[in-house]
Amino acid sequence: EPEVTQTPSHQVTQMGQEVILRCVPISNHLYFYWYRQILGQKVEFLVSFYNNEISEKSEIFDDQFSVERPDGSNFTLKIRSTKLEDSAMYFCASSEVQGLGRNTEAFFGQGTRLTVV
Amino acid sequence: GNSVTQMEGPVTLSEEAFLTINCTYTATGYPSLFWYVQYPGEGLQLLLKATKADDKGSNKGFEATYRKETTSFHLEKGSVQVSDSAVYFCALRGVLTGGGNKLTFGTGTQLKVEL
Repeated sequence: EPEVTQTPSHQVTQMGQEVILRCVPISNHLYFYWYRQILGQKVEFLVSFYNNEISEKSEIFDDQFSVERPDGSNFTLKIRSTKLEDSAMYFCASSEVQGLGRNTEAFFGQGTRLTVV
Repeated sequence: GNSVTQMEGPVTLSEEAFLTINCTYTATGYPSLFWYVQYPGEGLQLLLKATKADDKGSNKGFEATYRKETTSFHLEKGSVQVSDSAVYFCALRGVLTGGGNKLTFGTGTQLKVEL
């Protein structure tokens, strides 16, 4: 069964360092997402990406965040200068476009636990 | 904007007990509704979904009915097992032209099932 894969499963980084979280979405999916879950809190939307550009982003997704689809299979989230409050589980998801006005199901990866120290 | 409210946990039940986790939503139009489950140490997995009013989603003995009149999507299971211990998230996806849209999640409800 196709699945979304994320690497690494756990990343520890020092405050101020740059991190890149990697995701391989399901191959025929065209919409990609990043969500995060701070420990004990709800899952929050960060950004959606379609046709090589950001289609929607939340207030959380400020200038220190960026996303990229560098090679047609990977989808990355970069945090330029990490802060302690960036510590969270980051989930990648993808969905298949089904046409105008129709909703799609998002498939989530296992997540990357980012710990900023 | 869209929002999801679900009952706070943790919920602790004995095996074979009946489970209800309440979920209500606020959204414009006719969103799709979902329940996701997160087992300890794992990611989010889709448990069930419903895409229009009065639809009933079901999977693994869990079910939820999309009630537009009460804007609710309560999760139920007739007889829980220890293996159902997890965090359950209610979520909605709004309707946009062009397909694909973000999910709005509730805060999650932790379920613990004991022998």
